[in-house]
Amino acid sequence: AQKITQTQPGMFVQEKEAVTLDCTYDTSDPSYGLFWYKQPSSGEMIFLIYQGSYDQQNATEGRYSLNFQKARKSANLVISASQLGDSAMYFCAMREGGSNYKLTFGKGTLLTVNP
Amino acid sequence: DVKVTQSSRYLVKRTGEKVFLECVQDMDHENMFWYRQDPGLGLRLIYFSYDVKMKEKGDIPEGYSVSREKKERFSLILESASTNQTSMYLCASSLIGGGPLDTQYFGPGTRLTVL
Repeated sequence: AQKITQTQPGMFVQEKEAVTLDCTYDTSDPSYGLFWYKQPSSGEMIFLIYQGSYDQQNATEGRYSLNFQKARKSANLVISASQLGDSAMYFCAMREGGSNYKLTFGKGTLLTVNP
Repeated sequence: DVKVTQSSRYLVKRTGEKVFLECVQDMDHENMFWYRQDPGLGLRLIYFSYDVKMKEKGDIPEGYSVSREKKERFSLILESASTNQTSMYLCASSLIGGGPLDTQYFGPGTRLTVL
């Protein structure tokens, strides 16, 4: 079974609008961390935001926020006020408590921001 | 600023050649990782290292070896390159600290083509 599922292979959004990228995860470990990365066409993976399993509040970093619903095992990324430079692949990843810091990645969502 | 560098952005090698991919980080991170990324398969962990001279196999170690003689440098070695090793190779590093402290930071990637 997949540990990280991103069900949207591709998404389109108009510039200046908000967009939500979906991520669901599967783990029985009570301690885990969830990460979102952005990968532009240049190839570099850029860290965006982190959410810990024990964090009480949803994480936010500038225009990025994480909608963390623990009971549903979902960790959706919300990008507000989309910009053309947000066009990229976005990956959700999980680190489980006993995994020796290994990250498991989803297959990614390709976001296209239209002018 | 976090900095992970990789020796080449693009590399073309012939079947049977020995290939070295170098990764250097300047953040004094304990952990270093090598991933390969393929369309439809996402990122898969090849090897990681949590200290100098220490290494652990990831999900797909076959056909690869690694070397970590200094804390800042982690090398991926293809002993005898094959065409099915044509891929994007990404290096990452992280602290050992738990929670957001062990966020992995990635280099720009090396696109390797084996002919």
